[in-house]
Amino acid sequence: DAKTTQPNSMESNEEEPVHLPCNHSTISGTDYIHWYRQLPSQGPEYVIHGLTSNVNNRMASLAIAEDRKSSTLILHRATLRDAAVYYCILRDRRSGANNLFFGTGTRLTVIP
Amino acid sequence: DSGVTQTPKHLITATGQRVTLRCSPRSGDLSVYWYQQSLDQGLQFLIQYYNGEERAKGNILERFSAQQFPDLHSELNLSSLELGDSALYFCASSKKEGQLNPAGSNQPQHFGDGTRLSIL
Repeated sequence: DAKTTQPNSMESNEEEPVHLPCNHSTISGTDYIHWYRQLPSQGPEYVIHGLTSNVNNRMASLAIAEDRKSSTLILHRATLRDAAVYYCILRDRRSGANNLFFGTGTRLTVIP
Repeated sequence: DSGVTQTPKHLITATGQRVTLRCSPRSGDLSVYWYQQSLDQGLQFLIQYYNGEERAKGNILERFSAQQFPDLHSELNLSSLELGDSALYFCASSKKEGQLNPAGSNQPQHFGDGTRLSIL
């Protein structure tokens, strides 16, 4: 799977939007962009995924650059519960294995 | 609640011992994955089973083995334990996507809360 690059840490004020960036300059045409997060003392949690178009769900939005070499996870109103490590992961849709390769992720701190 | 159940939550044992970690996937999920999370290595994929058969292997040591039973629950067996095996072990499950990707490629994985293994 292609690699991703994320900032080690970010801070946000509570109730403000958060934009978490991810660079994936070697992405292939068959790679999906997945985001997971891991809250303290819990297992990772699926957030969202997309291929080319922007995606929205109840947790977040995913904005994908036109050249697909970068993407941004958007939390519209950060809450204290959103404090977690966020992982951006590329998944090749041709792969039959579906295992996830986690990098170091971005640790999001939400300030009350 | 992800629907994935892992037992036990905590396990403390000594070097050289053998332990078994258990995972019950979400209802209807055919794929089970095992991951190890340690402080120095981060989250690493160990092994995947799909409907009872091994599907993919990651950085799994030869001292470790796993299996998935007919009822789809899975067990991860760790033997000849060393201090470095102390870690959080997570199980995840996912649905199949279809006949072209029977292992469920790109289906979200749902993780349990993990088993914390401490080797003394």
